[in-house]
Amino acid sequence: GAVVSQHPSWVICKSGTSVKIECRSLDFQATTMFWYRQFPKQSLMLMATSNEGSKATYEQGVEKDKFLINHASLTLSTLTVTSAHPEDSSFYICSATTSGQTTDTQYFGPGTRLTVL
Amino acid sequence: QKEVEQDPGPLSVPEGAIVSLNCTYSNSAFQYFMWYRQYSRKGPELLMYTYSSGNKEDGRFTAQVDKSSKYISLFIRDSQPSDSATYLCAMNPGGGNKLTFGTGTQLKVEL
Repeated sequence: GAVVSQHPSWVICKSGTSVKIECRSLDFQATTMFWYRQFPKQSLMLMATSNEGSKATYEQGVEKDKFLINHASLTLSTLTVTSAHPEDSSFYICSATTSGQTTDTQYFGPGTRLTVL
Repeated sequence: QKEVEQDPGPLSVPEGAIVSLNCTYSNSAFQYFMWYRQYSRKGPELLMYTYSSGNKEDGRFTAQVDKSSKYISLFIRDSQPSDSATYLCAMNPGGGNKLTFGTGTQLKVEL
Protein backbone atom coordinates (compact mmCIF):
# COMPACT_ATOMS: atom_id res chain seq x y z
CA GLY A 1 0.00 0.00 0.00
CA ALA A 2 0.80 3.73 0.03
CA VAL A 3 2.13 3.93 -3.51
CA VAL A 4 2.80 7.26 -5.14
CA SER A 5 3.59 7.60 -8.82
CA GLN A 6 5.03 10.46 -10.83
CA HIS A 7 4.91 11.17 -14.52
CA PRO A 8 7.07 11.69 -16.42
CA SER A 9 10.12 10.13 -14.82
CA TRP A 10 12.36 12.39 -16.84
CA VAL A 11 11.86 15.27 -19.22
CA ILE A 12 14.08 17.46 -21.36
CA CYS A 13 12.73 20.76 -22.58
CA LYS A 14 13.89 23.95 -24.22
CA SER A 15 14.39 27.14 -22.28
CA GLY A 16 11.20 29.20 -22.13
CA THR A 17 8.77 26.32 -22.36
CA SER A 18 6.50 25.00 -19.61
CA VAL A 19 6.61 21.52 -18.16
CA LYS A 20 3.89 19.74 -16.19
CA ILE A 21 4.68 16.98 -13.70
CA GLU A 22 1.94 14.76 -12.30
CA CYS A 23 1.86 13.13 -8.88
CA ARG A 24 -0.70 10.45 -8.12
CA SER A 25 -1.52 8.45 -5.01
CA LEU A 26 -2.49 5.05 -6.37
CA ASP A 27 -4.06 3.26 -3.44
CA PHE A 28 -5.03 5.94 -0.95
CA GLN A 29 -6.59 9.36 -0.84
CA ALA A 30 -4.01 12.06 -0.36
CA THR A 31 -5.43 15.02 1.47
CA THR A 32 -2.03 16.69 1.43
CA MET A 33 0.72 16.52 -1.15
CA PHE A 34 4.15 18.06 -0.95
CA TRP A 35 6.53 19.08 -3.71
CA TYR A 36 10.29 18.99 -3.23
CA ARG A 37 13.31 19.63 -5.38
CA GLN A 38 16.65 18.02 -4.84
CA PHE A 39 20.04 18.99 -6.24
CA PRO A 40 22.79 16.39 -6.62
CA LYS A 41 24.08 15.08 -3.30
CA GLN A 42 21.85 17.43 -1.36
CA SER A 43 18.81 16.84 0.78
CA LEU A 44 15.21 17.51 -0.14
CA MET A 45 14.09 21.10 -0.28
CA LEU A 46 10.39 21.61 0.31
CA MET A 47 8.86 23.88 -2.31
CA ALA A 48 5.18 23.85 -1.40
CA THR A 49 2.40 22.09 0.44
CA SER A 50 -0.85 21.47 -1.33
CA ASN A 51 -4.20 20.46 0.12
CA GLU A 52 -6.97 19.13 -2.04
CA GLY A 53 -9.29 21.87 -3.21
CA SER A 54 -7.29 24.79 -1.85
CA LYS A 55 -4.37 26.95 -2.89
CA ALA A 56 -0.88 25.67 -2.28
CA THR A 57 1.30 27.09 0.46
CA TYR A 58 4.72 27.98 -0.86
CA GLU A 59 7.95 28.02 1.10
CA GLN A 60 9.87 31.23 1.39
CA GLY A 61 11.85 31.98 -1.73
CA VAL A 62 9.77 29.78 -4.03
CA GLU A 63 8.04 31.74 -6.80
CA LYS A 64 4.41 30.72 -6.89
CA ASP A 65 3.92 32.17 -10.37
CA LYS A 66 6.76 30.10 -11.70
CA PHE A 67 5.89 26.83 -9.98
CA LEU A 68 2.16 26.38 -10.38
CA ILE A 69 0.62 23.69 -8.23
CA ASN A 70 -2.85 22.25 -8.65
CA HIS A 71 -4.37 19.65 -6.31
CA ALA A 72 -7.65 19.06 -8.06
CA SER A 73 -8.52 15.70 -6.55
CA LEU A 74 -7.61 13.46 -3.64
CA THR A 75 -5.34 11.40 -5.86
CA LEU A 76 -3.72 13.93 -8.18
CA SER A 77 -1.51 16.96 -7.82
CA THR A 78 0.37 18.68 -10.63
CA LEU A 79 3.42 20.92 -10.66
CA THR A 80 3.91 23.13 -13.70
CA VAL A 81 7.27 24.79 -14.17
CA THR A 82 6.50 27.83 -16.30
CA SER A 83 8.99 29.48 -18.63
CA ALA A 84 11.65 27.00 -17.57
CA HIS A 85 15.30 28.02 -17.54
CA PRO A 86 18.46 25.94 -17.16
CA GLU A 87 18.68 26.79 -13.46
CA ASP A 88 15.33 25.02 -12.99
CA SER A 89 17.00 21.75 -13.96
CA SER A 90 16.66 19.51 -10.93
CA PHE A 91 15.10 16.38 -9.49
CA TYR A 92 11.50 17.08 -8.49
CA ILE A 93 9.85 14.74 -6.01
CA CYS A 94 6.33 14.71 -4.67
CA SER A 95 5.04 13.06 -1.52
CA ALA A 96 1.60 12.42 -0.15
CA THR A 97 0.00 11.91 3.19
CA THR A 98 -3.52 11.28 4.33
CA SER A 99 -5.58 12.61 7.17
CA GLY A 100 -6.30 10.31 10.05
CA GLN A 101 -2.84 8.83 10.09
CA THR A 102 -1.20 9.15 13.44
CA THR A 103 2.25 8.80 12.04
CA ASP A 104 2.12 11.77 9.70
CA THR A 105 4.41 9.83 7.42
CA GLN A 106 4.90 10.95 3.87
CA TYR A 107 5.07 8.53 0.97
CA PHE A 108 7.27 9.67 -1.87
CA GLY A 109 7.01 9.31 -5.59
CA PRO A 110 9.97 8.11 -7.66
CA GLY A 111 10.86 11.63 -8.76
CA THR A 112 11.04 13.46 -12.07
CA ARG A 113 14.34 14.59 -13.51
CA LEU A 114 13.96 17.85 -15.40
CA THR A 115 16.66 19.07 -17.74
CA VAL A 116 16.20 22.48 -19.34
CA LEU A 117 18.43 23.17 -22.32
CA GLN B 1 22.40 26.00 13.48
CA LYS B 2 20.21 23.66 11.48
CA GLU B 3 17.13 22.18 13.13
CA VAL B 4 18.31 18.70 12.20
CA GLU B 5 21.96 17.71 11.96
CA GLN B 6 23.12 14.60 10.15
CA ASP B 7 26.64 13.59 9.19
CA PRO B 8 26.70 13.45 5.38
CA GLY B 9 29.36 10.77 5.26
CA PRO B 10 30.23 8.98 3.08
CA LEU B 11 30.29 5.99 5.40
CA SER B 12 31.93 2.86 4.05
CA VAL B 13 31.59 -0.49 5.84
CA PRO B 14 32.31 -4.14 4.97
CA GLU B 15 29.46 -6.50 4.24
CA GLY B 16 28.00 -7.96 7.44
CA ALA B 17 28.93 -5.00 9.62
CA ILE B 18 26.52 -3.26 11.97
CA VAL B 19 25.85 0.26 10.77
CA SER B 20 24.85 3.11 13.04
CA LEU B 21 23.32 6.23 11.52
CA ASN B 22 22.42 9.21 13.67
CA CYS B 23 20.68 12.55 13.73
CA THR B 24 20.45 15.25 16.35
CA TYR B 25 17.78 17.91 16.48
CA SER B 26 17.02 21.07 18.36
CA ASN B 27 13.22 21.42 18.23
CA SER B 28 11.70 19.78 21.31
CA ALA B 29 8.27 19.83 19.63
CA PHE B 30 9.23 17.01 17.27
CA GLN B 31 7.20 13.90 18.09
CA TYR B 32 7.35 11.78 14.93
CA PHE B 33 10.64 10.46 13.64
CA MET B 34 11.27 8.71 10.35
CA TRP B 35 14.08 7.16 8.41
CA TYR B 36 14.01 7.12 4.64
CA ARG B 37 16.32 5.30 2.26
CA GLN B 38 17.06 6.89 -1.09
CA TYR B 39 18.84 5.15 -3.91
CA SER B 40 20.55 7.27 -6.52
CA ARG B 41 18.09 9.03 -8.82
CA LYS B 42 15.08 7.58 -6.99
CA GLY B 43 12.53 8.95 -4.55
CA PRO B 44 12.95 8.32 -0.80
CA GLU B 45 11.47 5.10 0.57
CA LEU B 46 10.07 5.02 4.09
CA LEU B 47 12.02 2.54 6.22
CA MET B 48 11.02 3.18 9.79
CA TYR B 49 8.94 5.55 11.84
CA THR B 50 8.66 5.99 15.56
CA TYR B 51 6.54 8.13 17.79
CA SER B 52 8.15 9.79 20.80
CA SER B 53 10.97 8.00 22.61
CA GLY B 54 11.73 4.31 22.37
CA ASN B 55 12.92 1.57 20.08
CA LYS B 56 11.35 -0.06 17.08
CA GLU B 57 12.66 -3.08 15.24
CA ASP B 58 11.85 -4.32 11.75
CA GLY B 59 13.97 -7.14 10.42
CA ARG B 60 17.57 -5.97 10.22
CA PHE B 61 16.63 -2.39 11.07
CA THR B 62 16.24 -0.84 14.51
CA ALA B 63 15.23 2.75 15.11
CA GLN B 64 15.90 4.44 18.43
CA VAL B 65 14.67 7.78 19.69
CA ASP B 66 15.99 9.52 22.79
CA LYS B 67 13.97 12.69 23.19
CA SER B 68 15.80 13.73 26.33
CA SER B 69 19.01 13.96 24.32
CA LYS B 70 17.29 14.98 21.08
CA TYR B 71 19.07 12.13 19.35
CA ILE B 72 17.80 9.47 16.99
CA SER B 73 19.55 6.46 15.51
CA LEU B 74 19.05 3.83 12.87
CA PHE B 75 20.93 0.55 13.20
CA ILE B 76 21.36 -1.85 10.31
CA ARG B 77 22.49 -5.35 11.22
CA ASP B 78 24.22 -7.72 8.82
CA SER B 79 24.60 -4.95 6.27
CA GLN B 80 24.40 -5.93 2.60
CA PRO B 81 25.68 -4.25 -0.56
CA SER B 82 22.03 -3.59 -1.42
CA ASP B 83 21.87 -1.33 1.65
CA SER B 84 24.20 1.10 -0.12
CA ALA B 85 22.13 4.27 -0.40
CA THR B 86 21.60 7.63 1.22
CA TYR B 87 19.70 7.52 4.50
CA LEU B 88 17.63 10.53 5.47
CA CYS B 89 16.21 11.18 8.89
CA ALA B 90 13.03 13.25 9.07
CA MET B 91 10.82 14.49 11.84
CA ASN B 92 7.86 16.71 12.65
CA PRO B 93 5.63 17.71 15.54
CA GLY B 94 2.67 15.90 14.03
CA GLY B 95 -0.70 17.34 13.14
CA GLY B 96 0.01 17.49 9.45
CA ASN B 97 3.08 19.66 9.79
CA LYS B 98 5.79 19.50 7.19
CA LEU B 99 8.75 17.20 7.69
CA THR B 100 12.15 18.55 8.56
CA PHE B 101 14.87 16.48 6.93
CA GLY B 102 18.49 15.86 7.75
CA THR B 103 20.97 16.27 4.93
CA GLY B 104 21.29 12.50 4.52
CA THR B 105 24.16 10.07 5.16
CA GLN B 106 25.62 8.28 2.18
CA LEU B 107 26.32 4.64 3.03
CA LYS B 108 28.38 2.19 1.02
CA VAL B 109 28.52 -1.47 1.98
CA GLU B 110 31.44 -3.17 0.32
CA LEU B 111 31.91 -6.84 -0.50
